[in-house]
Amino acid sequence: GAGVSQSPRYKVAKRGQDVALRCDPISGHVSLFWYQQALGQGPEFLTYFQNEAQLDKSGLPSDRFFAERPEGSVSTLKIQRTQQEDSAVYLCASSPLAGARFGTDTQYFGPGTRLTVL
Amino acid sequence: SQKIEQNSEALNIQEGKTATLTCNYTNYSPAYLQWYRQDPGRGPVFLLLIRENEKEKRKERLKVTFDTTLKQSLFHITASQPADSATYLCAPSENTDKLIFGTGTRLQVFP
Repeated sequence: GAGVSQSPRYKVAKRGQDVALRCDPISGHVSLFWYQQALGQGPEFLTYFQNEAQLDKSGLPSDRFFAERPEGSVSTLKIQRTQQEDSAVYLCASSPLAGARFGTDTQYFGPGTRLTVL
Repeated sequence: SQKIEQNSEALNIQEGKTATLTCNYTNYSPAYLQWYRQDPGRGPVFLLLIRENEKEKRKERLKVTFDTTLKQSLFHITASQPADSATYLCAPSENTDKLIFGTGTRLQVFP
């Protein structure tokens, strides 16, 4: 595809339900990132993959959050036992190179999944 | 802890004028700084990247400065147009693989 896609675009969950959010990165992109964006705030880093390896998960807010990228392409962010404070937009981004440490990697963002927990 | 400040109030300017947005950071020394644009209901879109050893960078009507002494970046849009109306996010980041974003400043350009 032309860009990063995410599904579903909108998800409403009852408190306590489990949800799974999907990200399809740009084909061939090595790095994949998940961010959480609360209303009126900037995106906050959750986790980072290089191919199938999860290299940084320091931003995951609790052990209810789990992300995977088993084949190094599509990624899923799973939230167990959702709480109202989990309501936010979840953004996925990908970049072509292995590591942005040289500041040369642009991250390409998807449209996000808006999660509302009732 | 790392702190990034962008004007939380919206910036309203008239078409044709230059818009200037500010990004201040404290408690760390980013090696590079990126600016992104975000429209409602969409993900951020990359605009410009500037490194710590660069003072200024330009791209078409956009100009970014990076002052590591003041710990500040300024983002300028010259000859602004209504289509420039959006939220602009700065991301001063260390040499890591995750972006650290400010809260963003909403720009409104009116005819």
